[in-house]
Amino acid sequence: QLQLQESGPGLVKPSETLSLTCTVSGGSISSTGYYWGWIRQPPGKGLEWIGSIYYSGGTDNNPSLKSRVTTSVDTSKNQVSLKLRSVTAADTAVYYCARHFRSGIVGATRFHAFDIWGQGTRVTVSS
Amino acid sequence: DIQMTQSPSSLSASVGDRVTITCRASQSISTYLNWYQQRPGKVPELLIYAASGLQSGVPSRFSGSGAGTDFTLTISSLQPEDFATYYCQQSYSSPLTFGGGTKVEIK
Repeated sequence: QLQLQESGPGLVKPSETLSLTCTVSGGSISSTGYYWGWIRQPPGKGLEWIGSIYYSGGTDNNPSLKSRVTTSVDTSKNQVSLKLRSVTAADTAVYYCARHFRSGIVGATRFHAFDIWGQGTRVTVSS
Repeated sequence: DIQMTQSPSSLSASVGDRVTITCRASQSISTYLNWYQQRPGKVPELLIYAASGLQSGVPSRFSGSGAGTDFTLTISSLQPEDFATYYCQQSYSSPLTFGGGTKVEIK
């Protein structure tokens, strides 16, 4: 069955760039309608959506992080990636990738639930 | 942004109890409301999609209802494995937002 696995450094220095990869196995990242999202959870806190990307490269990102976030897709490797620039201690969190569907017509699309999640990767921002 | 407010933030209940968690959206989201369960140290798992759809593999003691701005997650008979934190999430519009969570603890 479809599985997602996040990977990347567990420790990032303040002001540097956090880089994570999500590898999809057991299915294609190019499945029509499916987006690949990033969600994070600071220690002891709730969930925050970072952004989502389609296999064609279309993105939808959270404005609260938008200026610092870049997401990309590599269909040949079945991977999506996240880069978060200028990190601070507030970016310390478990980062998850997850799949969700988007339906509807242009101008009236809706996302659906995150139905498959990766195991998450813990990232600490510290010098 | 659409704000999602869950209540209560925590509750204590016994095995076999009926538990109800509410989620309120700051504006109408139709039925674009999803519920997740997160056990301690584990990955969030989808329980309910589109307000009332039961995700495959989820026990039937879980149910969801509501539309517009007010939604409810009900556990009909709490089981030991249900002690966890529950999150609602709206997928009506970007940015996608989650509620603050409801922690269900053992009484």
